[in-house]
Amino acid sequence: DQQVKQNSPSLSVQEGRISILNCDYTNSMFDYFLWYKKYPAEGPTFLISISSIKDKNEDGRFTVFLNKSAKHLSLHIVPSQPGDSAVYFCAASGRNRDDKIIFGKGTRLHILP
Amino acid sequence: ETGVTQSPTHLIKTRGQQVTLRCSSQSGHNTVSWYQQALGQGPQFIFQYYREEENGRGNFPPRFSGLQFPNYSSELNVNALELDDSALYLCASSVGGRGGSTDTQYFGPGTRLTVL
Repeated sequence: DQQVKQNSPSLSVQEGRISILNCDYTNSMFDYFLWYKKYPAEGPTFLISISSIKDKNEDGRFTVFLNKSAKHLSLHIVPSQPGDSAVYFCAASGRNRDDKIIFGKGTRLHILP
Repeated sequence: ETGVTQSPTHLIKTRGQQVTLRCSSQSGHNTVSWYQQALGQGPQFIFQYYREEENGRGNFPPRFSGLQFPNYSSELNVNALELDDSALYLCASSVGGRGGSTDTQYFGPGTRLTVL
């Protein structure tokens, strides 16, 4: 039972354009959402997060949008840069401090020159 | 400031054997979480330790066990290895009163375990 779904295994985007990575979740108790970025041979690196009380959070080139009614979130990267080529994991957790984080399977983003 | 380190980098074991993986937390972090990432999957939570005590466990059998030491480093032990245990094992450290899910987790590079 996959509670966090990233339905696109991979995505290719031209350098300078917008990259949009999507994520759906099924558990309405999820209260906090995160995006992690992973390069080969490295551990995941925290990128950006959003609480369920917000519908948008922005950090430089990265913006996360949350649509609670649709149980959907997306990560926008503008403009896309070659260094953004990586695997991106969407993750979610409940509102209790000891709730574990549930990760999606990841989306591999290729930034094309 | 030293980041999260894990050892060994790679490991090959045979079915039925036992393995110990090690993790050194980032300086100042008192919470360690362990994850299993199978090929093509996202990290799956195994368990978490906060100040040397287990603080939550995922859906893994008891043959997966752990320890956290006074310096907050940690070990993951897996007994009676099975072929499906082949995966990348990640540890992540964080700082927080109870290592809650909203605390930013800093991941190590992982240990790649292959079970033959």
